Amino acid sequence: DQQVKQNSPSLSVQEGRISILNCDYTNSMFDYFLWYKKYPAEGPTFLISISSIKDKNEDGRFTVFLNKSAKHLSLHIVPSQPGDSAVYFCAASAYSGAGSYQLTFGKGTKLSVIP
Amino acid sequence: NAGVMQNPRHLVRRRGQEARLRCSPMKGHSHVYWYRQLPEEGLKFMVYLQKENIIDESGMPKERFSAEFPKEGPSILRIQQVVRGDSAAYFCASSPRDDNEQFFGPGTRLTVL
Repeated sequence: DQQVKQNSPSLSVQEGRISILNCDYTNSMFDYFLWYKKYPAEGPTFLISISSIKDKNEDGRFTVFLNKSAKHLSLHIVPSQPGDSAVYFCAASAYSGAGSYQLTFGKGTKLSVIP
Repeated sequence: NAGVMQNPRHLVRRRGQEARLRCSPMKGHSHVYWYRQLPEEGLKFMVYLQKENIIDESGMPKERFSAEFPKEGPSILRIQQVVRGDSAAYFCASSPRDDNEQFFGPGTRLTVL
């Protein structure tokens, strides 16, 4: 009963091209979505987020798109750089009845950018 | 401005021992979240604490696990009588308010032999 799904465990992209990472969710109560980047032996680092009232948010080379009707979001990185190679986690948030904004994570997609 | 600190970074315990994981939030942050990541899995929420209060422990196993965030000092995640299935990476995140914007520490990798 995974509520946030990243169906591609890995993705390889040539340097300079676009990387597209996808994420699907099932819980319609999610109202805020985040992407985290994680290097080995480090904690997740916040990358970009989007509220459910928007369908696009852009920050430099990173753009997140949200399609609420399809319960789908994607992260676009352009142009991709070797330093972008990491595991990318999609996370979703909903205010829980117990009083917290707990994040629900996908399993991650390992992005490899080939020089 | 130091980020979220966790120690130890690596912890090895034998079955039946106790594990104590510490988390010092970022300066000015009074909200702490603990997550667990099993191998090949995403992070899973365990517990959310504010100073001296547990607000949401809906993701915490009912037995052997406890958490605290005292008025002074770091937040502690305590696992009693560890079993092999407790082997995982445990991440702490902090926030200045109860919010989506959570900043993560480097994690503690617990290995149970």
